Amino acid sequence: NAGVMQNPRHLVRRRGQEARLRCSPMKGHSHVYWYRQLPEEGLKFMVYLQKENIIDESGMPKERFSAEFPKEGPSILRIQQVVRGDSAAYFCASSPNGGDTEAFFGQGTRLTVV
Amino acid sequence: GENVEQHPSTLSVQEGDSAVIKCTYSDSASNYFPWYKQELGKRPQLIIDIRSNVGEKKDQRIAVTLNKTAKHFSLHITETQPEDSAVYFCAAINYGQNFVFGPGTRLSVLP
Repeated sequence: NAGVMQNPRHLVRRRGQEARLRCSPMKGHSHVYWYRQLPEEGLKFMVYLQKENIIDESGMPKERFSAEFPKEGPSILRIQQVVRGDSAAYFCASSPNGGDTEAFFGQGTRLTVV
Repeated sequence: GENVEQHPSTLSVQEGDSAVIKCTYSDSASNYFPWYKQELGKRPQLIIDIRSNVGEKKDQRIAVTLNKTAKHFSLHITETQPEDSAVYFCAAINYGQNFVFGPGTRLSVLP
């Protein structure tokens, strides 16, 4: 059973471009969480999704950011018109049943906006 | 929503000593409390967890205690080793809600 897969591992975008970050959960996991982490800081919750549903997006900026977890395929975090302040590591985690068992993290995508 | 506080933010101990990290949470309905370790440049990984029907759990040098009445839980690491140096995050989860993490504790084990 492969772990949580995120790609790309590193992504460089110019200001104003779009960034698409992908997260394939572990097999059998239908719950995905996205977090943002700045250097030397904690895990800031962004969005919690279940297949085809957004459960909680309270941590995600309303402008430029969106997330989806379709019935088929990976979860995608999309950042439009990136700015330098979007540079960070973005981690996703998956769990099988939404909250009382371990969430497994992917290796993260390190986004650099130049 | 849930709010998790974590103390201390940094902790330095001598190799072989014990380390204790404490967390408090706000939502009395939270029932799952995992601890994650994140080494530099790597992903967070679960090291131990506890559910609300248990007061204490131990796994070799690591133990977690939970006081539901006071809404706090603690991580205890005994006989610390240099490889224990990392950032530790606690979390409190209510079923169906997102994982809310504390701000993290940077543990340094000095040789």
